Amino acid sequence: AQSVSQHNHHVILSEAASLELGCNYSYGGTVNLFWYVQYPGQHLQLLLKYFSGDPLVKGIKGFEAEFIKSKFSFNLRKPSVQWSDTAEYFCAVSGGYNKLIFGAGTRLAVHP
Amino acid sequence: NAGVTQTPKFQVLKTGQSMTLQCAQDMNHEYMSWYRQDPGMGLRLIHYSVGAGITDQGEVPNGYNVSRSTTEDFPLRLLSAAPSQTSVYFCASSSLKLGQNTEAFFGQGTRLTVV
Repeated sequence: AQSVSQHNHHVILSEAASLELGCNYSYGGTVNLFWYVQYPGQHLQLLLKYFSGDPLVKGIKGFEAEFIKSKFSFNLRKPSVQWSDTAEYFCAVSGGYNKLIFGAGTRLAVHP
Repeated sequence: NAGVTQTPKFQVLKTGQSMTLQCAQDMNHEYMSWYRQDPGMGLRLIHYSVGAGITDQGEVPNGYNVSRSTTEDFPLRLLSAAPSQTSVYFCASSSLKLGQNTEAFFGQGTRLTVV
């Protein structure tokens, strides 16, 4: 069965610190990979996605993620976080029929 | 362009009551789905549909019914609400057409409390 594991449930950083959120997935076939962000009180928004091609994917707001097939990983990175990045981040995988399977989420708090 | 519209945004129910959460999309997407979001558990798939007249169960379908009579609408029904169904519910849609963006678009969510 498909599953997604996010390593950190809570992350606290100071502004300008670098961010890396871990994501590992379990799936036997070709997958599409996503990172979504949920700002407080809002719905999910797509940060970036990987379908095929270059395993280093750049998304909105300076975020990027690297797909490492051998490690079944899709870690999210940002070189320098801002207070406005405070949110919950979800890694997700889909196989057939766009059925998204989400990780438990990582709550990021960025302090000024 | 409205995208995915969910109603209501907030709802309080008494145990045993029934209600329908509405979801509509205007992007002609074939695939629609319902998720519930609970703290520390991410989003879990309740039901999904790959087109009008076709629905299937997700990870946590018990206590919920769905139907898909049109491409645009995908209502979620709670037949007899239970406190365990207190959650935030999200509807999502995406295209299944080859070559098109398969990104999922989410509604604003419905915060449901069952007392």
